[in-house]
Amino acid sequence: GEDVEQSLFLSVREGDSSVINCTYTDSSSTYLYWYKQEPGAGLQLLTYIFSNMDMKQDQRLTVLLNKKDKHLSLRIADTQTGDSAIYFCAESRSGGYNKLIFGAGTRLAVHP
Amino acid sequence: DTAVSQTPKYLVTQMGNDKSIKCEQNLGHDTMYWYKQDSKKFLKIMFSYNNKELIINETVPNRFSPKSPDKAHLNLHINSLELGDSAVYFCASSPPTAYNEQFFGPGTRLTVL
Repeated sequence: GEDVEQSLFLSVREGDSSVINCTYTDSSSTYLYWYKQEPGAGLQLLTYIFSNMDMKQDQRLTVLLNKKDKHLSLRIADTQTGDSAIYFCAESRSGGYNKLIFGAGTRLAVHP
Repeated sequence: DTAVSQTPKYLVTQMGNDKSIKCEQNLGHDTMYWYKQDSKKFLKIMFSYNNKELIINETVPNRFSPKSPDKAHLNLHINSLELGDSAVYFCASSPPTAYNEQFFGPGTRLTVL
């Protein structure tokens, strides 16, 4: 997406941490999200963060939000082969009606 | 199974034809969406309905016409198909929660020849 930017590829070794970065544009976005898409499937919400938070941790996932720089990151600890997928960052666009703007997705490849 | 389902999963058709994709959700959600995902995986919203009422209508050619007969169904009809319409179309739905989790269907891969 032209308003939400992500790097396209990330390759990590199994057991290492993965960090996927995203920049967004709408400073009034209330929520920011990370969705996961496995091959041949639809997107599934992994986690989200409210805009007044700096960090959210959920098991192996850590989301960091820097509102000043409009930067969002997703850290996956102890990355497994099952984590191989495309990860989409999304922002909720202000103006109501739950409109999400997605980034182009980061393809995470986990190798042994 | 509670889910968002779409039919068909694959659709191959000739340029100029008219086709429909159906979507149903049994999650009791009020809001449904259509997204288009191109070959580079870029996902863009096309339409959204809330309780059968159109609430989001992005810059989409008027060859695309969504129809919501009830709040559990949102179908997408495409007239005069063009090569550039080839993509994966995803339906999604969401409940009225503050954080707006959207539940996606498995997608319909449309190939226009």
